[in-house]
Amino acid sequence: GAVVSQHPSWVICKSGTSVKIECRSLDFQATTMFWYRQFPKQSLMLMATSNEGSKATYEQGVEKDKFLINHASLTLSTLTVTSAHPEDSSFYICSAGQGAYNSPLHFGNGTRLTVT
Amino acid sequence: RKEVEQDPGPFNVPEGATVAFNCTYSNSASQSFFWYRQDCRKEPKLLMSVYSSGNEDGRFTAQLNRASQYISLLIRDSKLSDSATYLCVVSTGGGNKLTFGTGTQLKVEL
Repeated sequence: GAVVSQHPSWVICKSGTSVKIECRSLDFQATTMFWYRQFPKQSLMLMATSNEGSKATYEQGVEKDKFLINHASLTLSTLTVTSAHPEDSSFYICSAGQGAYNSPLHFGNGTRLTVT
Repeated sequence: RKEVEQDPGPFNVPEGATVAFNCTYSNSASQSFFWYRQDCRKEPKLLMSVYSSGNEDGRFTAQLNRASQYISLLIRDSKLSDSATYLCVVSTGGGNKLTFGTGTQLKVEL
C-alpha cells in the first residue's frame, strides 16, 4: 500500500534555531502534499498545501516566512520551521494522496518538535 | 460553529460492547467523508471511507446522512485494541484538503 515517510520522528532544539522536516511518498508520486500541526488535545489543523514545482498555499494565520515549504520533486516535500520558539512546539504531520481528488490521504508518522 | 463537530468523550465501554459515534458537518457542499483512527502521539490512520449507501468493514459500520449532515461510526464487539481517538474527516471542494474533527476518544476496558 501507499506509504508516506516522515523524518525526523522527534527533535528537540533550542529557541532561535531552524528545524527541517522531510516528507516522502515512498511508492507513489504526489503532486500535492499537506502539512498539519496538532497541539495536545486538539484536532489536526492544516498549515499549508505543498505543490510540486510551485509555491505552497498557506492557510490563514500561518506565516509563510516562518514555515518554509519546498516541494522540489514528486516524492519529497520539506517543512522548515525557522527561528523556532517554544510556542512552535507541536506535532507536525504531513500527508499525501494518490489517484483522484478526494481519495483518502496517507499520513507520515509525524514529527514531535520540542523547542526549549 | 466548527466545520466538523464531534463529542470528545471519552467513551468508556466494556470489552464486547457496541458503541456508536456521531459527527456533524456544517458545509453542505462537502463531498467526501472518512473516519480516521489516531493512537496517542501517533499519526492518523484511515479506518474507512463513508458512503451515502452506508458501508461495513468487519466490526465497523459507517453511515452518512447528507440531509442531516451527519456521519456515524458503529463499532461492534469492541476489543481492547480499539481504544483510540476516532477522527471524523470531511473533504469539501476539489482536491484533497481535509477538515478534521477534534476526535472522539474511546476506551475499551476489561
